[in-house]
Amino acid sequence: QKEVEQDPGPLSVPEGAIVSLNCTYSNSAFQYFMWYRQYSRKGPELLMYTYSSGNKEDGRFTAQVDKSSKYISLFIRDSQPSDSATYLCAIRGGYQKVTFGTGTKLQVIP
Amino acid sequence: GAVVSQHPSWVICKSGTSVKIECRSLDFQATTMFWYRQFPKQSLMLMATSNEGSKATYEQGVEKDKFLINHASLTLSTLTVTSAHPEDSSFYICSASRDREGEQYFGPGTRLTVT
Repeated sequence: QKEVEQDPGPLSVPEGAIVSLNCTYSNSAFQYFMWYRQYSRKGPELLMYTYSSGNKEDGRFTAQVDKSSKYISLFIRDSQPSDSATYLCAIRGGYQKVTFGTGTKLQVIP
Repeated sequence: GAVVSQHPSWVICKSGTSVKIECRSLDFQATTMFWYRQFPKQSLMLMATSNEGSKATYEQGVEKDKFLINHASLTLSTLTVTSAHPEDSSFYICSASRDREGEQYFGPGTRLTVT
């Protein structure tokens, strides 16, 4: 079993739709949860960073963590064509290395 | 902000030659830098972690004699791919952190093509 599982997609949605991206993880020791956005041939850009269960909102983005289910989500409201990218979840615990999901490729169609 | 740059952004080299990739933290001091490799349609795989002034810690399966990492200052780390082969062709990405536990800021990546 992989430490972090993420559906690779691709996921296509119309502009304005609500997007839901998800990851599951296996190690309950993981404490920190991140979402990165990566455009083609570019480095990842940190979108959200949280360390507790519950929701964290930043503009159109909401990160949700459910530690009891080992499940994390990223919601994008009012999706825009510029949101088209690959979204990577990333998880780590304490001093341990960061483990990335495989990424979900999102396409927002105008 | 926290900006990390990489140079070059794209390099093509012949099989058997060595290539050096630079990673710089432009507006902060990075005590820890990380080097990742990303193959097409795959996630980032950590290659090594380096702390300023000390030897890098390599992940299992990564040849330390092939991928030489130097973290000579708080703003610069270099990755040298020695005797490159076509299978080393990949997207190499560095990240930098103010401390080992802190947030990682990623560079834009370097695409290496070995012919």
